[in-house]
Amino acid sequence: NAGVTQTPKFQVLKTGQSMTLQCAQDMNHEYMSWYRQDPGMGLRLIHYSVGAGITDQGEVPNGYNVSRSTTEDFPLRLLSAAPSQTSVYFCASREGATGNQPQHFGDGTRLSIL
Amino acid sequence: KNQVEQSPQSLIILEGKNCTLQCNYTVSPFSNLRWYKQDTGRGPVSLTIMTFSENTKSNGRYTATLDADTKQSSLHITASQLSDSASYICVVSPSYNNNDMRFGAGTRLTVKP
Repeated sequence: NAGVTQTPKFQVLKTGQSMTLQCAQDMNHEYMSWYRQDPGMGLRLIHYSVGAGITDQGEVPNGYNVSRSTTEDFPLRLLSAAPSQTSVYFCASREGATGNQPQHFGDGTRLSIL
Repeated sequence: KNQVEQSPQSLIILEGKNCTLQCNYTVSPFSNLRWYKQDTGRGPVSLTIMTFSENTKSNGRYTATLDADTKQSSLHITASQLSDSASYICVVSPSYNNNDMRFGAGTRLTVKP
């Protein structure tokens, strides 16, 4: 059982480039989300989805797009990378769309924007 | 101002000793409070989840407590092991949107032999 899989693990981009961070889960979870983690700060929610075809913005959505065409996949797109988007990105999933179930995190994508 | 504050920022203890990590929050009303363990280079792993009506929750050597009146939670680690070296993160979900979790910056724990 793979859980939550994120690819790539590391990426270096130039300012202005675009890219997609991939996230897949094999637990048939309804809820999926993207966070960024910066030094000295807590994880911040970028976007989340409570089911296929449904997405919503989190605390820091600017500069990022998401879509949820299947239950398993929840890609995060950087439209035009900026140095401020240098961060570690985590994808997470949870069984229920709401409620007190534990969240399962991937091991992150470390992204550097030059 | 961060709605979830954790202390201390870092802590060093000897193997076998106990320790307590603190979490103060201003999120109100809240739906649940979670504690996660994050090893270096890995994603967070859930330790405990408490609703606003629960006072304590245990997971092996980890025991979380919650005082909703003072808006404080603590994570107590008993008989520490080298593998407990990690960051411990407190997370609070507001009642108005259970999906909008607020994360603390974490406490970095180092357990030395």
